[in-house]
Amino acid sequence: GAGVSQSPRYKVAKRGQDVALRCDPISGHVSLFWYQQALGQGPEFLTYFQNEAQLDKSGLPSDRFFAERPEGSVSTLKIQRTQQEDSAVYLCASSPQRTDTYNEQFFGPGTRLTVL
Amino acid sequence: GNSVTQMEGPVTLSEEAFLTINCTYTATGYPSLFWYVQYPGEGLQLLLKATKADDKGSNKGFEATYRKETTSFHLEKGSVQVSDSAVYFCALTRNQFYFGTGTSLTVIP
Repeated sequence: GAGVSQSPRYKVAKRGQDVALRCDPISGHVSLFWYQQALGQGPEFLTYFQNEAQLDKSGLPSDRFFAERPEGSVSTLKIQRTQQEDSAVYLCASSPQRTDTYNEQFFGPGTRLTVL
Repeated sequence: GNSVTQMEGPVTLSEEAFLTINCTYTATGYPSLFWYVQYPGEGLQLLLKATKADDKGSNKGFEATYRKETTSFHLEKGSVQVSDSAVYFCALTRNQFYFGTGTSLTVIP
């Protein structure tokens, strides 16, 4: 498959646990984005990578959220000490272009995180 | 700031009815505008886009025109099908993507 993949698709965590969500972007895509989508809402921007560089993390809601893309391909979003308000679908998207020419983003299916 | 406001749903239509989903935006400068669609159990997919004023995006019978004077990008389709049942998101880009809250559409036979 040539699309963006995310794993796991579903994750249930107890409050206080750490979680790691993985994103495999389309091969060769320069830009990678993470979004948080609460129930009944549109996706909200979390952070952006251009290759391995994290150029914008202004949307991360707290310092419990951390993202990396060490080799410029696969990315991991980590949430430490999860709270109930972290329950949401986490979407990953990639784009072949650099961010100075925002164009179509290709989205993965998302990871649905439920914090009990 | 930058934001998108779209028509609240849910919307239920009979097959072959005309569809309009309203979208208005607030942005600094000149954003690009998009409609994304999310089918049940699937990821967001680009439906159509317009990158400058008066551009019309179209795909799969859907159309939207970038209206700078009314800051709008309303989605229309002349005759909906059951397979169009999905959630539709209006979005703009201005250094990052800004999405509306989504409009759920159900088309009944």
